[in-house]
Amino acid sequence: SQQGEEDPQALSIQEGENATMNCSYKTSINNLQWYRQNSGRGLVHLILIRSNEREKHSGRLRVTLDTSKKSSSLLITASRAADTASYFCATDARSSNTGKLIFGQGTTLQVKP
Amino acid sequence: GAGVSQSPSNKVTEKGKDVELRCDPISGHTALYWYRQRLGQGLEFLIYFQGNSAPDKSGLPSDRFSAERTGESVSTLTIQRTQQEDSAVYLCASSSYIQETQYFGPGTRLLVL
Repeated sequence: SQQGEEDPQALSIQEGENATMNCSYKTSINNLQWYRQNSGRGLVHLILIRSNEREKHSGRLRVTLDTSKKSSSLLITASRAADTASYFCATDARSSNTGKLIFGQGTTLQVKP
Repeated sequence: GAGVSQSPSNKVTEKGKDVELRCDPISGHTALYWYRQRLGQGLEFLIYFQGNSAPDKSGLPSDRFSAERTGESVSTLTIQRTQQEDSAVYLCASSSYIQETQYFGPGTRLLVL
C-alpha cells in the first residue's frame, strides 16, 4: 500500500503564483524527502526533513512536517514556468532499517507563463 | 563530482528475453537502491544494498528479478524472461548512508514488446 499520498493530483497555476502540495503518510518515519521529476525520468532531490524538524527552507521552497497529523506540505513561492514538473514525497519508515523510500503517486504541477 | 549514472538509457526487448541494467553510484556512497516506476505512477522499491550486508530484496516482484552489487561500486539488475508488464522506467539511487538523501540516476526506460 502507498505510504505517501500527494494532494492534489494535478495543479495548474499562473507564473508568479504560489503552489502548495500536500503529502500524507501512514507510519512513523525517520525522514521525509521531496523530489521533482521532469518528463518521467530522473528525480531531482529538493529537500529532506527529519522527523524532529517542523520546517525547512531552500530558496523558493518551504517544507513543513507535522508528525502528529502524518502530513507534510511543499510550498513553491513565486512560481516559474520552469517549475512545471511532477513532485513526489517519499518517506523513510522508522520500521525499516534500510532507508528504502516509499513514494506517493505525485502531484503534477503546470505553471503557465 | 559525477552523479549516479545508468545504462542503457533506453532498452527495447522482446517478450521472453533477458535484460541487464547497470547502475554506477556516486563514488563513496555505501547504500544503493533500485526502484521501478510505471507510467504515471510513483516509484516502487525493488532492492537495497549496503556495503557487504545482505541485500534487502523484499521489493522484487518475482523470482525473474535479481540484482548484484560488487562491493560499493557498480550494480546490475537482471530481469529474466521479460514480460510486457515489466515495461517501466528503472531508477537507481545511492546515498552516503541509510536515512540520508538519495540521489537518483536518469533511469533506464524498458519497453517489452
